[in-house]
Amino acid sequence: KNEVEQSPQNLTAQEGEFITINCSYSVGISALHWLQQHPGGGIVSLFMLSSGKKKHGRLIATINIQEKHSSLHITASHPRDSAVYICAVRVTGSARQLTFGSGTQLTVLP
Amino acid sequence: DGGITQSPKYLFRKEGQNVTLSCEQNLNHDAMYWYRQDPGQGLRLIYYSQIVNDFQKGDIAEGYSVSREKKESFPLTVTSAQKNPTAFYLCASSIGAMNTEAFFGQGTRLTVV
Repeated sequence: KNEVEQSPQNLTAQEGEFITINCSYSVGISALHWLQQHPGGGIVSLFMLSSGKKKHGRLIATINIQEKHSSLHITASHPRDSAVYICAVRVTGSARQLTFGSGTQLTVLP
Repeated sequence: DGGITQSPKYLFRKEGQNVTLSCEQNLNHDAMYWYRQDPGQGLRLIYYSQIVNDFQKGDIAEGYSVSREKKESFPLTVTSAQKNPTAFYLCASSIGAMNTEAFFGQGTRLTVV
């Protein structure tokens, strides 16, 4: 079983819809990252969080440490949000940076 | 602008040849990492370096080698010993190893022909 599980694997939405991507992990962590990978392959860091909630524009990330679960929400989705969204965790005590989920492919249709 | 530069973006190699992927950063980060990405899988760690002249094997280091002679550079060599080298390779860096934001390059897509 992977230490980091994301759902769904693929998600198609209509423009304007509210989107939720989920991430569950089975290890102790010191931080959780949400990353965005566009079709060209480059990765951009969206959020790094260890508790509570963060918001940036139309993006909201939440984490529940007790339940070992995080969600990424996109409000008023737009076709330019189409990308792969990746959850990654920093395992407590590990110097090896991040353990990654397999990603969620989001497609937002106009 | 500060960032990470990977080159080339696309690389073709004949089977049996070694090839070196470049990764340069001007962020003054101590830690640098190489990941491999295959379809449907999460990124997997190949090698990482927390300081100049030191590096550690990741989860899939076999068939790869690295060097860290300068703080800003962390090249990855894919050797002929790597059984399945066709993949997308990403380089990343961070200020330190713990609880710091990671910055990624644009990646290099390697195809063995």
